[in-house]
Amino acid sequence: DAGVTQSPTHLIKTRGQQVTLRCSPKSGHDTVSWYQQALGQGPQFIFQYYEEEERQRGNFPDRFSGHQFPNYSSELNVNALLLGDSALYLCASRASGGLETQYFGPGTRLLVL
Amino acid sequence: QQQVKQSPQSLIVQKGGISIINCAYENTAFDYFPWYQQFPGKGPALLIAIRPDVSEKKEGRFTISFNKSAKQFSLHIMDSQPGDSATYFCAASISFGNEKLTFGTGTRLTIIP
Repeated sequence: DAGVTQSPTHLIKTRGQQVTLRCSPKSGHDTVSWYQQALGQGPQFIFQYYEEEERQRGNFPDRFSGHQFPNYSSELNVNALLLGDSALYLCASRASGGLETQYFGPGTRLLVL
Repeated sequence: QQQVKQSPQSLIVQKGGISIINCAYENTAFDYFPWYQQFPGKGPALLIAIRPDVSEKKEGRFTISFNKSAKQFSLHIMDSQPGDSATYFCAASISFGNEKLTFGTGTRLTIIP
C-alpha cells in the first residue's frame, strides 16, 4: 500500500500564475482534505472533499479551489498566486465512517517568486 | 477564531529524559485531541489521541494528559530517544472523524545523547 501520494514534490511559480497540485488517497479511502503549512507553522485546513463535493472549508479565499474525481483522487488549484501562498501543501485521506483517523501525504512544496 | 496554543516552540532533552509539550484550546466544542509527529520532508503522522471523557491515555512511551476544566492537554515522552527528534503538533477537532483539524504551531524536539 503506497499510502497517500502527492505530486509534484516541489514546484516554483511566479506571482499571478495558477497552480494545480494532485493527491491520490490511501487505498480504501474516499475522503480527501487539503492543508497549507507555512514554514515554521502548523497545518491549516483548506477544505475537504467527499463524494466529489466540497464538504467543509477553512478560512481561505476563493482563489483556492479543488476537485475530487470518481476514483477519489483530488486536485487543489490556486489562482492568482501571491508570495504568501508559498508553503507545504498537505493532502490527507481517510475512509468515511471508519474508525481510523486521517493519513497525511508527504506534501508538495510550493515556492512563489 | 478557534485556536490551539502550543508551547514550547523548541525543546532540548537529554537521552532518557522526559519530554513535555503543552497545549491549550479555547473552543469548548472540541472533542478530539490528537498529537502528530512530523519529520523533515514528511507529512504529519498520528502519534496518539485522546477524547475528553478520559484524563490520561498511554501508548508505550507516549502519554497524553488532559485537563478539561483548564482546557489544556499535554504530551509526555518518557525515556526520550534520539529517534524522537522531530516536530510535534497538537491538534483539535469538534469530533473524531472530522477532517477539519485545528493545529498548534509546533514544537521542535531535539534529543541529545
